Amino acid sequence: SSELTQDPAVSVALGQTVRITCQGDSLRTYPANWFQHKPGQAPVAVICGNDNRPPGIPDRFSGSTSGSTASLTITGAQADDEADYYCNSRDSRGNHPFGTGTRVTVL
Amino acid sequence: VQLVESGGSLVQPGGSLRLSCAGSGFNFENNAMRWVRQAPGKGLEWVAAISGPGGTINYADSVQGRLTISRDNSKSTMYLQMNGLRVEDTAVYYCAREGYVVGPDRYYYYYLDVWGKGTTVTVAS
Repeated sequence: SSELTQDPAVSVALGQTVRITCQGDSLRTYPANWFQHKPGQAPVAVICGNDNRPPGIPDRFSGSTSGSTASLTITGAQADDEADYYCNSRDSRGNHPFGTGTRVTVL
Repeated sequence: VQLVESGGSLVQPGGSLRLSCAGSGFNFENNAMRWVRQAPGKGLEWVAAISGPGGTINYADSVQGRLTISRDNSKSTMYLQMNGLRVEDTAVYYCAREGYVVGPDRYYYYYLDVWGKGTTVTVAS
């Protein structure tokens, strides 16, 4: 199956650390990318290839993977990090599914 | 580097529409491209992908047989022909470029690095 499952919502206190997970069988084979999506804006990649930050992304964003689970960690969350976050990968058929999405609220 | 979508509108169920995505500021033919959509109140959904030369195409199961992705590299433009539209196709449609970063392991990691602002398709009677 190429489904990618995420927790619907998490909250984090300002300045604290939050981890978002993404589960799917395809993650055992293919790397995960993570996107931040704010209302009315285009999505922005914050992690690519499991643990690489694209140019311009703050180092408080980090990624990791273990088995069928990919994780996105925000260390020292800022108010501006409040958004929906989606993992994204591919599968053996050439599909590129997104995860179900996690809404991050910064308290 | 920019992507601009156009062509979204209100259409009746069963109708057709063609979306366009114009790229600028980069060598368009060198990059694979994808369409991604977001229905109201829903998450991001990958729709279709096309390789740089256009020879490799993949579709999500939900649109297979109804939506057709194509590109004209001489015009730096990608298209999404939408036929047999359904109410559930109502969404903001984004086009995105597949770029890459080279990791510390020297591996090429591909991801959607440039997105358009989206165009809205509403299917309703």
